[in-house]
Amino acid sequence: AQTVTQSQPEMSVQEAETVTLSCTYDTSESDYYLFWYKQPPSRQMILVIRQEAYKQQNATENRFSVNFQKAAKSFSLKISDSQLGDAAMYFCAYRSPNGGATNKLIFGTGTLLAVQP
Amino acid sequence: NAGVTQTPKFQVLKTGQSMTLQCAQDMNHEYMSWYRQDPGMGLRLIHYSVGAGITDQGEVPNGYNVSRSTTEDFPLRLLSAAPSQTSVYFCASKDRGQNSNEQYFGPGTRLTVT
Repeated sequence: AQTVTQSQPEMSVQEAETVTLSCTYDTSESDYYLFWYKQPPSRQMILVIRQEAYKQQNATENRFSVNFQKAAKSFSLKISDSQLGDAAMYFCAYRSPNGGATNKLIFGTGTLLAVQP
Repeated sequence: NAGVTQTPKFQVLKTGQSMTLQCAQDMNHEYMSWYRQDPGMGLRLIHYSVGAGITDQGEVPNGYNVSRSTTEDFPLRLLSAAPSQTSVYFCASKDRGQNSNEQYFGPGTRLTVT
């Protein structure tokens, strides 16, 4: 079974600085999808960025980028020029393309990011 | 589009009471699912549906029932609430196809069972 591990329960960053959130996963599949979700205090789950495992190029969305290391099964999220609005819980998630009908997302336990002014 | 909507936003139940958490989506998505979020455990899949009339169990289905009579609606029923079901519940939907990667989440329902 696939697992997702986020080893940093809490992180803190100064406004305008850069922070990296860690995520590792375990799978025997060669193809899969990885996601980072943001959950602000409003509770809404917001997709930040996604990565297809067959793509070697790291995904980027504005100030958010990932460092995808397939061999190491690592999927870290880098937030550049951190803003106060980035303060939230961040979840790493895995989805198997061969999961058939489930489309199940497997989530890590989350990292709570605080942004200091 | 309203996206995925959930009602109620908050609910307090006594042990043994029953209730239904409502979920609806207006994007004509075939796939819908329910997750629960507990502190320190991330989100876990309760039940899911791949289309009207089809449902199946996820990772933590005990104590919950679902049905899918229409594409739009996917209610989650607690038949006899227990304190262990105190959690935040999220409904999600997704378009069919492996290339459709994004799951859309509702705003969540915070349920407390006393």
